[in-house]
Amino acid sequence: SQTIHQWPATLVQPVGSPLSLECTVEGTSNPNLYWYRQAAGRGLQLLFYSVGIGQISSEVPQNLSASRPQDRQFILSSKKLLLSDSGFYLCAWSAVGLGGWGNTEAFFGQGTRLTVV
Amino acid sequence: AQKITQTQPGMFVQEKEAVTLDCTYDTSDQSYGLFWYKQPSSGEMIFLIYQGSYDEQNATEGRYSLNFQKARKSANLVISASQLGDSAMYFCAMRVSGSARQLTFGSGTQLTVLP
Repeated sequence: SQTIHQWPATLVQPVGSPLSLECTVEGTSNPNLYWYRQAAGRGLQLLFYSVGIGQISSEVPQNLSASRPQDRQFILSSKKLLLSDSGFYLCAWSAVGLGGWGNTEAFFGQGTRLTVV
Repeated sequence: AQKITQTQPGMFVQEKEAVTLDCTYDTSDQSYGLFWYKQPSSGEMIFLIYQGSYDEQNATEGRYSLNFQKARKSANLVISASQLGDSAMYFCAMRVSGSARQLTFGSGTQLTVLP
């Protein structure tokens, strides 16, 4: 079965410090990978997605970047955190839908609660 | 561009009763999928149910059913026989066919089940 691991679960970082959140998927190959951010009491905002190694698409220009060094590894980074980067970050994966149909659900990691102080 | 609207920030339901969570969507694509997720206070996102745009039958998964009205662009979630464990945030989401850009989410509905 497929599993997704995301760490750390919680993180408190000072403004201006770097960030690295890691996500790995097991039990599947060539997944689509995603990073979402959720502000308190709000919906999910797609930050980045990747359809393959080294292929990153950014949805929202901001202080963050993403990388996919291996097929099942997705990393969210920042060189200098801002207060506005605080939030709940979720990594997700989905299989490529048959014939491109939008019928594949996304499976989410447990999330990382980031507080920038 | 796709858009999901959930107009109920909060809902209350008595235990064992049914509840409907509203979701409307907007897209110009003909092929798309609609999803509902549950997010308990722990934060994890739990997939509940899926409806394809060409599916003629409304999707059902146990106590969950999706009331799909394509002409009205609505995809409401119906939870029958509510349980205390159903208290959570519920998100409606959409993905268009052929797009790796995954899941546009609504703002969510906080459901509270009362004993």
